[in-house]
Amino acid sequence: SQQGEEDPQALSIQEGENATMNCSYKTSINNLQWYRQNSGRGLVHLILIRSNEREKHSGRLRVTLDTSKKSSSLLITASRAADTASYFCATTSGYSTLTFGKGTMLLVSP
Amino acid sequence: EPEVTQTPSHQVTQMGQEVILRCVPISNHLYFYWYRQILGQKVEFLVSFYNNEISEKSEIFDDQFSVERPDGSNFTLKIRSTKLEDSAMYFCASSDESRANYGYTFGSGTRLTVV
Repeated sequence: SQQGEEDPQALSIQEGENATMNCSYKTSINNLQWYRQNSGRGLVHLILIRSNEREKHSGRLRVTLDTSKKSSSLLITASRAADTASYFCATTSGYSTLTFGKGTMLLVSP
Repeated sequence: EPEVTQTPSHQVTQMGQEVILRCVPISNHLYFYWYRQILGQKVEFLVSFYNNEISEKSEIFDDQFSVERPDGSNFTLKIRSTKLEDSAMYFCASSDESRANYGYTFGSGTRLTVV
């Protein structure tokens, strides 16, 4: 089954720096989504990019999608300590429901 | 902003007991989901529900699990005879498009601890 797999598994940066997380998947998709999870809390939908889109922006977030490489990246610009969380990519394909990757733990130090 | 509400936030139960996890999805959403996340692991799909019936389920969702929408607002997950390995965070989600064209809205989760 198709799954998103993120890398790196963990990322540690300083406030103000940019954070880039990558996601790879195995089969064709309808869309790819990024979610954020603060420690022990629920998942928050950040951004969705459709399979026919290549780039999307939302505030400090920029997502790219390369369907030929079956990969996506999430860029968080000018990171803040409050961005510290786990970030998951998730994909849908056909009529199947959302399937999550293992996530990237981002630590932003003040 | 509309929210998905889950209760309780934390439940401790003895092995072999039945538990019911409750969720109130967003009122105009039509599709409902349960996911679980074992500590330190990925978020795993359990079941999706539409039009008062299960539309898709994973291999995790075996006979000990069941879902119900008893009164048009609540959406429940029942685990009939809990095992230690059922300890996890359980997330309810809802969406207004089955193909998740607009993203899912997740609740804050119920942490289930089986002792």
